[in-house]
Amino acid sequence: AQTVTQSQPEMSVQEAETVTLSCTYDTSESDYYLFWYKQPPSRQMILVIRQEAYKQQNATENRFSVNFQKAAKSFSLKISDSQLGDAAMYFCAYFTIYAGGTSYGKLTFGQGTILTVHP
Amino acid sequence: GAGVSQTPSNKVTEKGKYVELRCDPISGHTALYWYRQSLGQGPEFLIYFQGTGAADDSGLPNDRFFAVRPEGSVSTLKIQRTERGDSAVYLCASSLTPGNEQFFGPGTRLTVL
Repeated sequence: AQTVTQSQPEMSVQEAETVTLSCTYDTSESDYYLFWYKQPPSRQMILVIRQEAYKQQNATENRFSVNFQKAAKSFSLKISDSQLGDAAMYFCAYFTIYAGGTSYGKLTFGQGTILTVHP
Repeated sequence: GAGVSQTPSNKVTEKGKYVELRCDPISGHTALYWYRQSLGQGPEFLIYFQGTGAADDSGLPNDRFFAVRPEGSVSTLKIQRTERGDSAVYLCASSLTPGNEQFFGPGTRLTVL
């Protein structure tokens, strides 16, 4: 079974600084997707960034970038120039469509990291 | 509406009662997912529909939980004989097809007293 681990329950950063959130995962599959989601207090889960496992190039979305290390099964999120609006719970998630010939549709989430941004 | 909607936003019920939670996916999305999120935890998968059929219900915790999607659009998650341990936020998501980005609704917070 796939597992996703976020070892940092809480992180904090000063506004305009950079912060990195860690994520590791375990899978025997070679083709999968990894995501970072943001969940503010409103509960709305928002996709921040997506990485396809077959792509060697790290994904980037404006101030958000990832460091994807496939061999190490590591997928960290870097937030540059942090803003007050970045404060939220962040979840790392794993997705695969097929595993062992069986179709799957589910996301597997980590435990989450609460990010606080100090002005 | 452009996004996934869920009703009710909050539901308070008593132990032993029956509840129904509704999810309206984005129009045209064939895949629909239910997740359960306990306080301070990540969402956990419950069930996934492709069209009208449940393609994977391996996450349903027991037979008190049941979900339907009779016309391939709206889905209802049904919980019988609710227990205090069922208290959580129930999230629904939809995607154009399996493998595409999942768009989440705001969730229903269920409290069982």
